[in-house]
Amino acid sequence: DVKVTQSSRYLVKRTGEKVFLECVQDMDHENMFWYRQDPGLGLRLIYFSYDVKMKEKGDIPEGYSVSREKKERFSLILESASTNQTSMYLCASSNSGTIVRNIQYFGAGTRLSVL
Amino acid sequence: KQEVTQIPAALSVPEGENLVLNCSFTDSAIYNLQWFRQDPGKGLTSLLLIQSSQREQTSGRLNASLDKSSGRSTLYIAASQPGDSATYLCAVRKNYGQNFVFGPGTRLSVLP
Repeated sequence: DVKVTQSSRYLVKRTGEKVFLECVQDMDHENMFWYRQDPGLGLRLIYFSYDVKMKEKGDIPEGYSVSREKKERFSLILESASTNQTSMYLCASSNSGTIVRNIQYFGAGTRLSVL
Repeated sequence: KQEVTQIPAALSVPEGENLVLNCSFTDSAIYNLQWFRQDPGKGLTSLLLIQSSQREQTSGRLNASLDKSSGRSTLYIAASQPGDSATYLCAVRKNYGQNFVFGPGTRLSVLP
């Protein structure tokens, strides 16, 4: 089974802190994604990556950055956390290649509260 | 810009009923469509993936259909059970891209 692991289930941070959210997948997937999920807004894509050291902006990249130094790990960074970044953060990964395999697998999520 | 809507936002049914969840998208030029379930406070679990060239996919009690021309997909759940209670999300992938656009979800409650 594919496993996508997010390092923390719950985080509480202060405004202005630098926050790292870590995601690791064990299926050698090329593609990795970071989403945030908010009530009434659904899932919105923050950043994604097709390969090591490669990153692309999603729909709402402002206030975030990412790092992909190794294929299995994709980190989301909040340079200076703000209260409007309080949200549920979900990481996902998928294979490239044939369409049939291009299913996204999600981690359990990290619920971040910025006070 | 692709927009995905899901109706109804919430649904409550007695155990044993067959039910249909709806997903609509504004741009019919999609690559594929995926249905997920999400349990409270947890991540998403993939249920079914339909390619743009397919009309439907089935897995157990679940059947998903796709009508690209009308911008619609339905998820049919047969003989619903309390364990089916969750939020169901549909997501469409843009053509020639890797990004999904998600709908807001339908929160399903199956009452024993």
